[in-house]
Amino acid sequence: AQSVTQLGSHVSVSEGALVLLRCNYSSSVPPYLFWYVQYPNQGLQLLLKYTSAATLVKGINGFEAEFKKSETSFHLTKPSAHMSDAAEYFCAVSDYEAGNQFYFGTGTSLTVIP
Amino acid sequence: DAGVTQSPTHLIKTRGQQVTLRCSPKSGHDTVSWYQQALGQGPQFIFQYYEEEERQRGNFPDRFSGHQFPNYSSELNVNALLLGDSALYLCASSLGQGRKNSPLHFGNGTRLTVT
Repeated sequence: AQSVTQLGSHVSVSEGALVLLRCNYSSSVPPYLFWYVQYPNQGLQLLLKYTSAATLVKGINGFEAEFKKSETSFHLTKPSAHMSDAAEYFCAVSDYEAGNQFYFGTGTSLTVIP
Repeated sequence: DAGVTQSPTHLIKTRGQQVTLRCSPKSGHDTVSWYQQALGQGPQFIFQYYEEEERQRGNFPDRFSGHQFPNYSSELNVNALLLGDSALYLCASSLGQGRKNSPLHFGNGTRLTVT
């Protein structure tokens, strides 16, 4: 079975500071991992996906994530936080053996302090 | 290029009633999945439709049913509504059921409130 765990339901950073959102996965097969962002009253928008081609994945809006098999992690980072980054972030793993069903974490709410 | 569209955006129903939510997938996509997102939680998989058939189902009761039409659009039906069904219902489309690493594209959801 596939699952993801997001450590920290709330993260606060100052504007311009490093953003680090944590995600650990559990998978019996090579995982396909994703990060999504959700702004208030909106659906989920894809930030980036792990394709197994490279361990460091670059996404939109300056975000990137590093896949570490030894740590079963896929943490999301951004060097410098912007006010517009305040949102809910979800890590997800897809189970392609079950028709590409996605399992989402419980989310991390990012607050950016001016 | 139209993304995933859902209707209505908001809905208020009474316990015991029935509701139908609608979704049009992103252009070129043929697979539709439905997710329930309770307040403060991550989305939970309800079911997936491909080629007009339910292909995968999550841990939801039979009160939740769906349909996919030949144009790939989809409906989610919930019967005998309970207060606990209050949530944001998200439709997501993708290309090719079971295609590895195919991301989901989400609509903005339907906010269902059951009173």
